[in-house]
Amino acid sequence: GQQLNQSPQSMFIQEGEDVSMNCTSSSIFNTWLWYKQDPGEGPVLLIALYKAGELTSNGRLTAQFGITRKDSFLNISASIPSDVGIYFCAGYGGATNKLIFGTGTLLAVQP
Amino acid sequence: DAGVIQSPRHEVTEMGQEVTLRCKPISGHDYLFWYRQTMMRGLELLIYFNNNVPIDDSGMPEDRFSAKMPNASFSTLKIQPSEPRDSAVYFCASSFTEETQYFGPGTRLLVL
Repeated sequence: GQQLNQSPQSMFIQEGEDVSMNCTSSSIFNTWLWYKQDPGEGPVLLIALYKAGELTSNGRLTAQFGITRKDSFLNISASIPSDVGIYFCAGYGGATNKLIFGTGTLLAVQP
Repeated sequence: DAGVIQSPRHEVTEMGQEVTLRCKPISGHDYLFWYRQTMMRGLELLIYFNNNVPIDDSGMPEDRFSAKMPNASFSTLKIQPSEPRDSAVYFCASSFTEETQYFGPGTRLLVL
């Protein structure tokens, strides 16, 4: 199935560091979503973006809907051990009315 | 508030057996989605319903898979007969609008 390009694939950082990850597509989307998945659990919605250029925060998380509508970015400030998990972007709309997921970014935080 | 509820959380079965996965969406959500997650293919949409009506089942792998939504608070995904390649994590998600989806904890299926 179709997946969005997400980078980096994995990150190993120290507690307190800031984290940036992004997602790119060859297609435009009308909505970008960011999810976090813990081991053995389902994806949990972190942030939803509905307009090109939109910048939205949720606590230490900030996400942006790219102006071209083909990309999105997620930043985590001052990481803590519970930030560990896999982060997925997802795009909706455009050529298909389905939620298309990224390949995921594995985040590991060393205390 | 209760989120999406799925059962069972784990299922181990033998090839050829029938498997039924269950989902209770968040109350008031009009959309319900079934996904499958594997290492190789990531999250794949299998089928989704709007107001209990199947809208798009193009992701259902083959005729061995079927899904129903008899009412607004319950859906099933059935695999009959099951095969080892069906081993995966199956997620149910629900939403008010088509795009902002909330996922359940998943059912981990292992077919031996």
